[in-house]
Amino acid sequence: DGGITQSPKYLFRKEGQNVTLSCEQNLNHDAMYWYRQDPGQGLRLIYYSQIVNDFQKGDIAEGYSVSREKKESFPLTVTSAQKNPTAFYLCASSMGTSQYFGPGTRLTVL
Amino acid sequence: QKEVEQDPGPLSVPEGAIVSLNCTYSNSAFQYFMWYRQYSRKGPELLMYTYSSGNKEDGRFTAQVDKSSKYISLFIRDSQPSDSATYLCAIHRGSTLGRLYFGRGTQLTVWP
Repeated sequence: DGGITQSPKYLFRKEGQNVTLSCEQNLNHDAMYWYRQDPGQGLRLIYYSQIVNDFQKGDIAEGYSVSREKKESFPLTVTSAQKNPTAFYLCASSMGTSQYFGPGTRLTVL
Repeated sequence: QKEVEQDPGPLSVPEGAIVSLNCTYSNSAFQYFMWYRQYSRKGPELLMYTYSSGNKEDGRFTAQVDKSSKYISLFIRDSQPSDSATYLCAIHRGSTLGRLYFGRGTQLTVWP
């Protein structure tokens, strides 16, 4: 089955700890994206990558970091510098204009 | 000014009603228009995709784009309780390195 997988589905961390969210796709898409979703806020773009070894900041990149060493993988690290990390995180990929989303990871910082 | 504006609702309708969801956008450079459906605690799924002005129909769903007024709509006929979800509009300029801009989403509840 082709698709986008995100793991874990739920993640709990203590305040001050860095945490890495996984995103893998087997759709052979060049571009990958990370979004954050908060209630009533819609989707906000954190980082995106159009090609391996290259990525750009989105609208809310502060406190986050990414890497794109392989076409299939685009992990997101939520650092301790992110002031309000508790949210629903969505990964997407695209070939062209349409994006396809993974199931999301709900991160809760205690 | 945000690139795309969408009324978040919530919108509550009885089963069988016709639902109209709408977005406005600010820049005439946008060429591609999409609607995503998101069920609670799930990732969004692409529902409709249109290019430039006009209508596109898929079953009970019709997407409409009016580029002259920068207005996009999604109509749902004979709405069902299974249509209860958040609907997000999205727009794209169409350039190779472009990104999608999303509306805030409209929460729809269809009650039996």
